[in-house]
Amino acid sequence: GAVVSQHPSWVICKSGTSVKIECRSLDFQATTMFWYRQFPKQSLMLMATSNEGSKATYEQGVEKDKFLINHASLTLSTLTVTSAHPEDSSFYICSARPGILNTEAFFGQGTRLTVV
Amino acid sequence: AQTVTQSQPEMSVQEAETVTLSCTYDTSESDYYLFWYKQPPSRQMILVIRQEAYKQQNATENRFSVNFQKAAKSFSLKISDSQLGDAAMYFCAYRSFQGAQKLVFGQGTRLTINP
Repeated sequence: GAVVSQHPSWVICKSGTSVKIECRSLDFQATTMFWYRQFPKQSLMLMATSNEGSKATYEQGVEKDKFLINHASLTLSTLTVTSAHPEDSSFYICSARPGILNTEAFFGQGTRLTVV
Repeated sequence: AQTVTQSQPEMSVQEAETVTLSCTYDTSESDYYLFWYKQPPSRQMILVIRQEAYKQQNATENRFSVNFQKAAKSFSLKISDSQLGDAAMYFCAYRSFQGAQKLVFGQGTRLTINP
């Protein structure tokens, strides 16, 4: 299957700082990328859908000013957690889908964010 | 909005035996996809099997098969000849044909394989 690389795998940051997570499709062009958040022992909750060259669509209850998503190219989307707080600590996962309709979405390996 | 329900938070099975994980969903759409994903301790999401709703034949992938009952909105996963490497969280997921085609996940079932 296609490869999606997420970086970093884990990050620790101080409260009040911002942290950026990258999601790259290595061997295909991804017109759509998805960002999920997963709390311990829980399911994946979709945060936002990003389409290349346009603004992300956020799910209800997700603060768009706190979780900045940029999908500037067909192979890269970034999630920036701004002014991070301990409650933002979580596991963040991206997935990317090729441009062809109704094909699979491939997942990155996830990023564990700890805010101290 | 679509919802996916997995009513079994945990399941366990003896190695080499068969186990079935349950999933039900709610939708008003007629065309859609259903998936089972595996999330091992590494937390990498791995696609196990997919089913197109317009196909009557149940999908199979080696030791993994599904029982898709469209009218009942049920989509169970059967794992035959369970192996230690099958131990993981399993998520059932729904995806529309239309729109953003985002995945809606169930709550997950933690599967333990007993040697």
